[in-house]
Amino acid sequence: GENVEQHPSTLSVQEGDSAVIKCTYSDSASNYFPWYKQELGKRPQLIIDIRSNVGEKKDQRIAVTLNKTAKHFSLHITETQPEDSAVYFCAASDGGATNKLIFGTGTLLAVQP
Amino acid sequence: DTAVSQTPKYLVTQMGNDKSIKCEQNLGHDTMYWYKQDSKKFLKIMFSYNNKELIINETVPNRFSPKSPDKAHLNLHINSLELGDSAVYFCASSQLHTGELFFGEGSRLTVL
Repeated sequence: GENVEQHPSTLSVQEGDSAVIKCTYSDSASNYFPWYKQELGKRPQLIIDIRSNVGEKKDQRIAVTLNKTAKHFSLHITETQPEDSAVYFCAASDGGATNKLIFGTGTLLAVQP
Repeated sequence: DTAVSQTPKYLVTQMGNDKSIKCEQNLGHDTMYWYKQDSKKFLKIMFSYNNKELIINETVPNRFSPKSPDKAHLNLHINSLELGDSAVYFCASSQLHTGELFFGEGSRLTVL
């Protein structure tokens, strides 16, 4: 089955700096790669996603890149703000009929003001 | 008009007891899920139902029994609770094959 690895587990940046979180997946059939943000005590919420027919997607200060050959994808946050502080999860669908999402282990991002 | 709602939000109970968590979604989605988030924040899928049919059943002890009376509701019953069951249980819904999961607020279960 699918396995998703995520690095780093914690990331501390200064306000205004960029942050990059990286994930690798194992199942070459995976075709959907979302990123979720979970603030403390809240539910995970989708912030951006990418499908396997696209190499990059951008939405304001966040962007995701996908390298299907290497089976890795990354989240880029530019001009970080304190409200970006949260746990970020990558995920990959197993590509099967159930479209099961397997989550990475999460990255705790702390943006220092 | 919460999209995915689950009750209760907090559960504190003794080992050996039985408890249930209920989930309802008003998004018109055809698929619902239960995820477990442990103390290390790992999000792990447990079950998924598509139009009331079980489609994902991970390696979960059979003390956990999901039930979907209709495609808008998914409940989770846990028998003989153990300390290791303490976690936050998230319900989620989606339209199968479109991807995005909408999560409920979570139900924090504490087993003493």
